[in-house]
Amino acid sequence: EVHLVQSGAEVKKPGESLTISCKASGYQFTGNWITWVRQLPGRGLEWMGRIDPTNSYTSYSPSFQGHVFISTDKTTNTSSLQWRSLKTSDTAIYYCARGASWFDAWGPGTLVTVSS
Amino acid sequence: SYVLTQPPSVSVAPGQTARVTCGGNNIENKRVHWYLQKPGQAPVMVVSHNSDRPSGIPERFSGSNSGNTATLTISRVEAGDEADYYCQVWDSSSDLRIFGGGTKLTVL
Repeated sequence: EVHLVQSGAEVKKPGESLTISCKASGYQFTGNWITWVRQLPGRGLEWMGRIDPTNSYTSYSPSFQGHVFISTDKTTNTSSLQWRSLKTSDTAIYYCARGASWFDAWGPGTLVTVSS
Repeated sequence: SYVLTQPPSVSVAPGQTARVTCGGNNIENKRVHWYLQKPGQAPVMVVSHNSDRPSGIPERFSGSNSGNTATLTISRVEAGDEADYYCQVWDSSSDLRIFGGGTKLTVL
């Protein structure tokens, strides 16, 4: 059974850095892309970007390009989402999901709160 | 960029049929995927590639896509179907994955 387990909730201050993770199990990690999706409080789903765990090729939505960095570690079947400098507007739930263009399995989400 | 338009809300009585629409320019030329999200939970795919149902999704959920509108149809609606429903496509021209704004299904 496919499982995506995400790291726990985070509370950060503006300007701080952060990395959250998504560990996959139950399938061949390098056979499927990992996608990251943002959900602002009370709002809809936004596609952030995706990564091919085979070669770490990434593509980003223009809305997130340059502000976040997606990576993957084949040795631990884990994908990570990283910020160098958080903003209060980054407060949201972040989901990882399996797939490049449609998403058939989702992690439970990581709540990131950025507040001074 | 490509835009998907969903009604903010749809209401239906138990046992009736709910139809959630997703509008987009010539959307019939794209593969539409549908997700439901219950409060406090992660999204779940309920229909992929316009009309395919993933394993474990009840037959009551079906999808269609024609012209400028894709439709998720939920037959014999139950109270447990109350959720937000999102459509999603891949826009090949921009290589972006696009979500609709979501539709809140209320079971009366």
